[in-house]
Amino acid sequence: DVKVTQSSRYLVKRTGEKVFLECVQDMDHENMFWYRQDPGLGLRLIYFSYDVKMKEKGDIPEGYSVSREKKERFSLILESASTNQTSMYLCASSHRGRLAGLYTDTQYFGPGTRLTVL
Amino acid sequence: QKEVEQNSGPLSVPEGAIASLNCTYSDRGSQSFFWYRQYSGKSPELIMFIYSNGDKEDGRFTAQLNKASQYVSLLIRDSQPSDSATYLCAVNRGFQKLVFGTGTRLLVSP
Repeated sequence: DVKVTQSSRYLVKRTGEKVFLECVQDMDHENMFWYRQDPGLGLRLIYFSYDVKMKEKGDIPEGYSVSREKKERFSLILESASTNQTSMYLCASSHRGRLAGLYTDTQYFGPGTRLTVL
Repeated sequence: QKEVEQNSGPLSVPEGAIASLNCTYSDRGSQSFFWYRQYSGKSPELIMFIYSNGDKEDGRFTAQLNKASQYVSLLIRDSQPSDSATYLCAVNRGFQKLVFGTGTRLLVSP
């Protein structure tokens, strides 16, 4: 079974703090993702990493950065937390492969971190 | 136009009925399609994926894909109260990234 874990289920931070969210997967997946999920807006991609030290901006990267120093670990950093970053943060991973010429891009999610910024 | 569109619901069905969830997408080049189930306060979990036109069955779940009409649907037979959740449709947008719909909330009443 694929296992994706996130460092905290609930987190409360103050405006202006630097916040680190950690994600670890145990399936040797090449790809890792950070999303945030807000009511009515669905899942929005913040950043994507397809290899160690490689990253790509998603749809809403502003105010966030990421780090991937090891294959199994992908960190999301809020440089200076703001109240509009209060959200559910979801990490996911997937294997980079092919099946009948198509990408096998099933993503598996961690349990999520509900972050509140006061 | 959103890349992936779903009716937000709620879709209410009685226990034992068939629930039909629909999703349309805008990118004709999309190649893979996914249905996830998300219980309140939990993270999405994969139900099934489909790549080819037609039907794909897995237990009580059937995914249907029609690339010409750009829609994908999920049928849940013999719906149970435990199926009450939000169902997310996701579509491959290229290079291993998925774009998600906002989900359809399903309510199955006993």
